[in-house]
Amino acid sequence: AQSVTQLDSQVPVFEEAPVELRCNYSSSVSVYLFWYVQYPNQGLQLLLKYLSGSTLVKGINGFEAEFNKSQTSFHLRKPSVHISDTAEYFCAVIGTISNFGNEKLTFGTGTRLTIIP
Amino acid sequence: DGGITQSPKYLFRKEGQNVTLSCEQNLNHDAMYWYRQDPGQGLRLIYYSQIVNDFQKGDIAEGYSVSREKKESFPLTVTSAQKNPTAFYLCASVPSWGYGYTFGSGTRLTVV
Repeated sequence: AQSVTQLDSQVPVFEEAPVELRCNYSSSVSVYLFWYVQYPNQGLQLLLKYLSGSTLVKGINGFEAEFNKSQTSFHLRKPSVHISDTAEYFCAVIGTISNFGNEKLTFGTGTRLTIIP
Repeated sequence: DGGITQSPKYLFRKEGQNVTLSCEQNLNHDAMYWYRQDPGQGLRLIYYSQIVNDFQKGDIAEGYSVSREKKESFPLTVTSAQKNPTAFYLCASVPSWGYGYTFGSGTRLTVV
């Protein structure tokens, strides 16, 4: 089984400043990692994912994340945020060693990003 | 356009009443999932289904029931046994060949 920790429940950032949202995971097997964004009263939208290859992953809306296996982290970053980035962000993990359907995505508790004009 | 449709967007339930939330997908995905979202608790898995006519309990299945009679549809019934049903409910699906979940836009259920 896996677990995900998002240490910051809320992150306020001034517009055009950089931001980092932290995600740490725990797993006894190799994992795939995801970041999702949720705007108010909407479903989750995939921002980016790490499956294999380069540990630096680029996603939509200018976000990127870096997989660090030794630190079991997958922090999300953006060099310059915009008002429209105000949303809740969820980190998620799933084990790679599985038959389809036997493992499910495990989500963190989310980080609410608020952009200050 | 392919996607997942959840209805209704808002739902009000009286005490002791059963209600059913609809989830329909036209993505030809095999697996479907129901999550409950409460403030500060992230997403918690209620039920999931990998194939038609088969489903498994998730972490918080008590007070809920599901069916999977068609590949496209995975309705969730919130029964009167669920003592605290007020929450945001999300449906998701994934193909057998991938790991990227696609989510619906959610149903907000409120007990009145």
